[in-house]
This record gives sequence, C-alpha cells and structure tokens, in this order.
Amino acid sequence: DTEVTQTPKHLVMGMTNKKSLKCEQHMGHRAMYWYKQKAKKPPELMFVYSYEKLSINESVPSRFSPECPNSSLLNLHLHALQPEDSALYLCASSQPGLAEETQYFGPGTRLLVL
Amino acid sequence: AQKVTQAQTEISVVEKEDVTLDCVYETRDTTYYLFWYKQPPSGELVFLIRRNSFDEQNEISGRYSWNFQKSTSSFNFTITASQVVDSAVYFCALSGTSYGKLTFGQGTILTVHP
Repeated sequence: DTEVTQTPKHLVMGMTNKKSLKCEQHMGHRAMYWYKQKAKKPPELMFVYSYEKLSINESVPSRFSPECPNSSLLNLHLHALQPEDSALYLCASSQPGLAEETQYFGPGTRLLVL
Repeated sequence: AQKVTQAQTEISVVEKEDVTLDCVYETRDTTYYLFWYKQPPSGELVFLIRRNSFDEQNEISGRYSWNFQKSTSSFNFTITASQVVDSAVYFCALSGTSYGKLTFGQGTILTVHP
C-alpha cells in the first residue's frame, strides 16, 4: 500500500471554479513536492516544501497556490485554471536536505479543466 | 546542466522475453544519484532503485537487474523473463547538488504481450 495518498483521484472543473488537491504522507518525511505530468511526458516539478516552508517554486502561475498545513499534509489550491492545465498532478515526499533522498510518489489526481 | 536520455521511446516484447531499457546521463556533479521509477497505467510512480555515483556494483532484485557504468555514463535496466504486469512507462532520473530536483528522462513505454 502506498504511504503517500492523494485525493481526489479524478477532478473535473470549469475555468471559473475553485478546487483543492490534497496529499498526505505517512512516512515521517519533512519534504513534500507537487509535480505536473502531461500525457507521454515526464513529471515537471512545481513546488517543494521543506519543513513546512516553501523552498522551491518553479515559476508556476499564481492560479496554482500551494499550502503545507503541517509536516504530513500538502494542498494545492486551484483557481481560474485553463484547459491546458489538464494533467496528472503528483505529490511526492522525501527526507529533506540531501540529494540522495528518494522521492516517494502518490497515485496522483487526474485533473480535467473544461 | 543535467540531462537524462532514454533513447527508446517504446519497446514491445512477448512475455518471457528479456528486455533492456537504456539510460544515459550527463552531469558535471562529482556526486550524484540515479533512480529508476515505474509508472503503470494507474499513474503512480513506483520507486525501483537508487544508485549513487560511487557505487558501480550491479544490482539484481528478482527479475530486475541494473548495470551502472560510469565510464559510459549509463544506468541500464534489464527485466528478465518479462511478464504482462511489467507493462508500464519506466523513467530514469538523476539528482545532483540541486536539492529537491530530479531530472527525468523522457520515459520508455514498455508493452509486454501475452
């Protein structure tokens, strides 16, 4: 069983909607990540939180707003998205501070923006 | 800059065949880490292996084996006696001194036919 969970599994939203993606990890990690993955492409890093603080923002548009309420939870708030934002959104976690640390991924949320 | 090349976009084999997935990387870091992930149709990236740049020992885990050759900057993955359940997209990835950033290859789609 995966120790990184994501909800919902699927989400359909209109361009004027506000929704949130949720991620929870049960591995005691202190770094969490959001990735976006388009079909037939590798994941692209969006945000990294380390010890509940945002440490990396890969120039993501402001219609994506991350939040890390505590060390095991990570949210991605969505507002005024565009159809090109339709993708698989993956959450991952790891121990922070070391490049060798393995990132463990959740099952993802498949987002469709109409 | 770091780069990972998976030259095989798609591979199709029949069950019980052996298959090798190629991965070639570029980095200026002297210490770096290489990873393989499996992504089945469900979407989750499943961690398979991590290898650091100082450890060129090959590894075998069941039907899976990995060949790391620093001299050719390659980290190839072989599945012996492939099974239908091995059908997935396989990603090779690299991390170096830029904490939190994984450089992914473009992925290889493996289809194993019964």
